[in-house]
Amino acid sequence: DIVMTQTPLSSPVTLGQPASISCRSSQSLVHSNGNTYLSWLHQRPGQPPRLLIHRISNRFSGVPDRFSGSGAGTDFTLKISRVEAEDVGVYYCMQATQFPLTFGGGTKVEIK
Amino acid sequence: EVQLVESGGGLVQPGGSLRLSCAASGFTFSDHYMDWVRQAPGKGLEWVGRTRNKANSYTTEYAPSVKGRFTFSRDDSKNSLYLQMNSLNTEDTAVYYCARGSTGTATEFDYWGQGALVTVSP
Repeated sequence: DIVMTQTPLSSPVTLGQPASISCRSSQSLVHSNGNTYLSWLHQRPGQPPRLLIHRISNRFSGVPDRFSGSGAGTDFTLKISRVEAEDVGVYYCMQATQFPLTFGGGTKVEIK
Repeated sequence: EVQLVESGGGLVQPGGSLRLSCAASGFTFSDHYMDWVRQAPGKGLEWVGRTRNKANSYTTEYAPSVKGRFTFSRDDSKNSLYLQMNSLNTEDTAVYYCARGSTGTATEFDYWGQGALVTVSP
């Protein structure tokens, strides 16, 4: 199975300041078709996850442009340019390149 | 508006069975792969498995932790997805989400249900 490792586990941030989350996979996420199936999800307390970013860097419909994704191969990053109060919660990376699909352990973003 | 609504959760004894349903609306259900993802209390997300669409013969994929105990099915005429869980153990205690695979090969989940809580306890 592909192991997804996220850092940090927790990220206290000041409103209006940037935040960055790293996700590393135990093997390359480049599919045999050349695509890389790495997505980012956000889960607020008591809510289901929601899709933010797919295929490394593509924002899902309605996701603010302060969210951006980057990376390649085994190293990926989610950045929030200016954290807002609604951004608190847990962020997960997920790989869909290989079965079983696997998630990172999550990074909790909270306001200082 | 895309909606996914799970039902059927509850308390079950170890070794018991339970069947979850996921009712879909607001999109052409038959076109999409549908997955189950679970989340144990206070823990992260764990993929449970997938049911592909009719065009892909409704084939399934299972996580190793549930293979042989869980069975996925769907009824496109009812816009519904099902998860039959047998031989449950305490480690299966979780909120179970149904999630829609994005158009095509479902390489991301673009919509999620609110979840159904399954508690396995003596």
